[in-house]
Amino acid sequence: KAGVTQTPRYLIKTRGQQVTLSCSPISGHRSVSWYQQTPGQGLQFLFEYFSETQRNKGNFPGRFSGRQFSNSRSEMNVSTLELGDSALYLCASSLTGTGTLQETQYFGPGTRLLVL
Amino acid sequence: GESVGLHLPTLSVQEGDNSIINCAYSNSASDYFIWYKQESGKGPQFIIDIRSNMDKRQGQRVTVLLNKTVKHLSLQIAATQPGDSAVYFCAETDDKIIFGKGTRLHILP
Repeated sequence: KAGVTQTPRYLIKTRGQQVTLSCSPISGHRSVSWYQQTPGQGLQFLFEYFSETQRNKGNFPGRFSGRQFSNSRSEMNVSTLELGDSALYLCASSLTGTGTLQETQYFGPGTRLLVL
Repeated sequence: GESVGLHLPTLSVQEGDNSIINCAYSNSASDYFIWYKQESGKGPQFIIDIRSNMDKRQGQRVTVLLNKTVKHLSLQIAATQPGDSAVYFCAETDDKIIFGKGTRLHILP
């Protein structure tokens, strides 16, 4: 069974631009969560989607948004990029998500975003 | 490869010895805990989990201990191997998941 895939793997953008990242979960998994990883803050939860609905949300500004499609694939969007948005963006999938995240999550390799 | 943290605490262990990685968690209401391993250039990989109604759980070469009284979690790796070199994260979940900053495990030959 293929693992979680993320595209693109690397991305360079400039301040003010917007970016869309894509995540394909493991086949059969319906929950997709997004995380930001930086050296200073570590791994931080962005949001979780299940059945095309955002079910949980972390403490990030509204510039960070996401969506999930009927095939469980998910995208996240960051608008008006800032230098501080440079990070590794990780996507994780799980079978049902259960709403309380008490289920094993499987991570993709991440998208490395550099904002200049 | 990518560096997941420039200022992580590092644990250096001789190959073949046991490793113990510690984690303090913050939310006394957290009831599910996970350890992840992250190798350079890869996403975190699930190692083992434990629920709050347990204080110990064993896997293959790994053991997780949970002390709810002092909000402490530890990961023990038996007979550490070169392939164990990675950054290890603990995570706690209640209605949100919170990750620890991580510990880099360095294996000495």
